[in-house]
Amino acid sequence: TQLLEQSPQFLSIQEGENLTVYCNSSSVFSSLQWYRQEPGEGPVLLVTVVTGGEVKKLKRLTFQFGDARKDSSLHITAAQPGDTGLYLCAGAGWYGGSQGNLIFGKGTKLSVKP
Amino acid sequence: GAVVSQHPSWVICKSGTSVKIECRSLDFQATTMFWYRQFPKQSLMLMATSNEGSKATYEQGVEKDKFLINHASLTLSTLTVTSAHPEDSSFYICSAREHGTDSSSYSNQPQHFGDGTRLSIL
Repeated sequence: TQLLEQSPQFLSIQEGENLTVYCNSSSVFSSLQWYRQEPGEGPVLLVTVVTGGEVKKLKRLTFQFGDARKDSSLHITAAQPGDTGLYLCAGAGWYGGSQGNLIFGKGTKLSVKP
Repeated sequence: GAVVSQHPSWVICKSGTSVKIECRSLDFQATTMFWYRQFPKQSLMLMATSNEGSKATYEQGVEKDKFLINHASLTLSTLTVTSAHPEDSSFYICSAREHGTDSSSYSNQPQHFGDGTRLSIL
């Protein structure tokens, strides 16, 4: 069974600080997706990383996929109160056929205080 | 971008009632849709994978007779919670995956999520 460990589980910081969220696994994933979820809403896709070592930037958010495709990180620079939310990483495995279920981490609840 | 519509967004009903939740992909075809359950302050737990035109695949511990899934078209999947009880109260979320060009890229296609259904059983 593939497990995706996400840390930290909770993070409370002041506006302007930087932060990093980590997702780690002992298994290799074909891709990894990062989502952000607001209370009472469904997750919204932020990015998909596919290639080992890949780095993608989305404004102040930087996503990195590990060289071995077992881990990923999300770095937020100069966090804003609007960044507050639940961040979820999800890995897609090397499944044959068309299933390819996502394995979700437990999420990081981020609170950015003004 | 890809949009998934989930309806209803909020249901309150009496114990013993059956509740149907719809999940529609509005601007793309989804041969596979997923149903998740999410408890407060926790991550998403996959309940079942819904395949168009075939039976759903349920995760271990999920009762298929309790949670009926129908995927009758490429844009619609439904989840029916039969004879719902208070312990079934939860946030249910569906997702739909865009169809990839080949099997090797399919699992990398992003899943697009609905806004969820808050189910409360009294």
